[in-house]
Amino acid sequence: AQSVTQLGSHVSVSEGALVLLRCNYSSSVPPYLFWYVQYPNQGLQLLLKYTTGATLVKGINGFEAEFKKSETSFHLTKPSAHMSDAAEYFCAVSLYTGGGNKLTFGTGTQLKVEL
Amino acid sequence: EAGVTQSPTHLIKTRGQQVTLRCSPISGHTSVYWYQQALGLGLQFLLWYDEGEERNRGNFPPRFSGRQFPNYSSELNVNALELEDSALYLCASSLEWDPSQPQHFGDGTRLSIL
Repeated sequence: AQSVTQLGSHVSVSEGALVLLRCNYSSSVPPYLFWYVQYPNQGLQLLLKYTTGATLVKGINGFEAEFKKSETSFHLTKPSAHMSDAAEYFCAVSLYTGGGNKLTFGTGTQLKVEL
Repeated sequence: EAGVTQSPTHLIKTRGQQVTLRCSPISGHTSVYWYQQALGLGLQFLLWYDEGEERNRGNFPPRFSGRQFPNYSSELNVNALELEDSALYLCASSLEWDPSQPQHFGDGTRLSIL
């Protein structure tokens, strides 16, 4: 069975600083990996995805993530944080297990951006 | 392109009642998924429908059920509501069942059980 671990339930950065949100996965087969963002009282918005090919993936709002198979990681980064980035971020893994298609989510990381 | 739409936005029910939540997928999407986001429990997979059939369900009791209509919209039904059913219920859709296809989410229905 696949699983996702997000280190740090809360991360605080200053505006303009680097954002690094950590995600490690466990999967017996090559996974498909996703990052989603959730703003208060809203659903989840897709930031980026890794399926195959280039391991450095660029997403919306200046975010990017790098798939590192040897480290089973898919960390999310943004060079310069903006106040509007404050939200909850979820890493998710998807794979077809024969029983169906579903996303398995990490527990989420709440990002706070301070002036 | 319209996104995934869910109704109603909010619901308040009492223990033992029944509720129906509705979801319209993005046009052209045939797969619909339901997730529960409960406080302290994170995002949990509930159900997956594709081409009108239930394809997979998560670890939830049978009082959670649903269906998918010929136009690919979906309903989630919860019977005999319990206090712990209080949560945000999110619907998502994808272009097809391929797990490499991203799921696109609606804004959810917030269900409160009194």
